Amino acid sequence: GQQLNQSPQSMFIQEGEDVSMNCTSSSIFNTWLWYKQEPGEGPVLLIALYKAGELTSNGRLTAQFGITRKDSFLNISASIPSDVGIYFCAGRRAGGTSYGKLTFGQGTILTVHP
Amino acid sequence: NAGVTQTPKFQVLKTGQSMTLQCAQDMNHEYMSWYRQDPGMGLRLIHYSVGAGITDQGEVPNGYNVSRSTTEDFPLRLLSAAPSQTSVYFCASSYSGPAEAFFGQGTRLTVV
Repeated sequence: GQQLNQSPQSMFIQEGEDVSMNCTSSSIFNTWLWYKQEPGEGPVLLIALYKAGELTSNGRLTAQFGITRKDSFLNISASIPSDVGIYFCAGRRAGGTSYGKLTFGQGTILTVHP
Repeated sequence: NAGVTQTPKFQVLKTGQSMTLQCAQDMNHEYMSWYRQDPGMGLRLIHYSVGAGITDQGEVPNGYNVSRSTTEDFPLRLLSAAPSQTSVYFCASSYSGPAEAFFGQGTRLTVV
């Protein structure tokens, strides 16, 4: 099955730096979701995007639904140690046999050094 | 409010054994699903259900069975465990389709 191409795979940054990650696909999606997973826990929804071009913020997190509907971006500003975790993008397709099902990216492992 | 509850948290099986992973939600969500998470692979959909009595296959359904007799429960059955089924399994539920907002804490399964 198709997976989303999420990059980068991992990031090592200093506290206070900004972070950017993205997901791309060859298929069109009508929903993009961003999740965070901490060790030993299930993913927690951070931001949901439902319209092409939509820009949504949740505190220091900002995500965008790409105009082409084939990509999405997540930015974290002024990172802090508790931002550490794995960030996943997920998309829901617009049509075809996989209509309605969620596809996940491989995840971005974020490490923040104090 | 417990949300999505998965049991057990950890399990070790021998090849060929069978077992059921339990998932229960107390939010009256219609949509429930099971994923497996493997290193570098993200989460892959195994089976899902859009309501009691209705189930369908996801991306990687082979070796797994599900049923949905009530809105609250969505168990995942491994009929004959194989080492390739070693993984972390997550159950999720949501109100509206597969825009899952709530995941369980996961079950870490090892098949030896």
